Amino acid sequence: ETGVTQSPTHLIKTRGQQVTLRCSSQSGHNTVSWYQQALGQGPQFIFQYYREEENGRGNFPPRFSGLQFPNYSSELNVNALELDDSALYLCASSLVPLDREEETQYFGPGTRLLVL
Amino acid sequence: ELKVEQNPLFLSMQEGKNYTIYCNYSTTSDRLYWYRQDPGKSLESLFVLLSNGAVKQEGRLMASLDTKARLSTLHITAAVHDLSATYFCAVDMDSNYQLIWGAGTKLIIKP
Repeated sequence: ETGVTQSPTHLIKTRGQQVTLRCSSQSGHNTVSWYQQALGQGPQFIFQYYREEENGRGNFPPRFSGLQFPNYSSELNVNALELDDSALYLCASSLVPLDREEETQYFGPGTRLLVL
Repeated sequence: ELKVEQNPLFLSMQEGKNYTIYCNYSTTSDRLYWYRQDPGKSLESLFVLLSNGAVKQEGRLMASLDTKARLSTLHITAAVHDLSATYFCAVDMDSNYQLIWGAGTKLIIKP
């Protein structure tokens, strides 16, 4: 158990709808990163939030947006869902700057999104 | 653009055998991670490699890093069935946790 939780665990939506996924970070962590993992592939970095500000973004369109709250929990919002958005969405929490050299980030269990 | 390539992508082996998974990356990097993922599950951190020549070992797994060759290896010694999983390497260019991932190596270990 990493202490990172995500909700919901599974979700089914139809094309064109909007979805909000939630992540609760590990206690003491101030940074959350979101990843998309399509079936059989490695995760793709979507974006990262640090102290409520976006702190880096991967190659994803603007319809992917996020929020980080003062308690460091986070949301990922996806508008105008497309079939290719079907994937496992993972959040990971971490402490930046690094508290110690060998620090790592901790992943939640993921939300599996199916778009029909 | 940073690219991370793993090989092989699929590996089926017998218990008791040794094998190595390779991870090549295209530009300099601060940190390299190895993760394990079981089917339908999230990602479990195995190793963080920071510097050239770094070697880490945990049980039957050993990871190493050659920053000059931009190559990391994950070596499995005397494999057991419980090590069946998909293994990913991921590179962090700026120590900011914005990781670039390999495609993963699906490892099946047969009794």
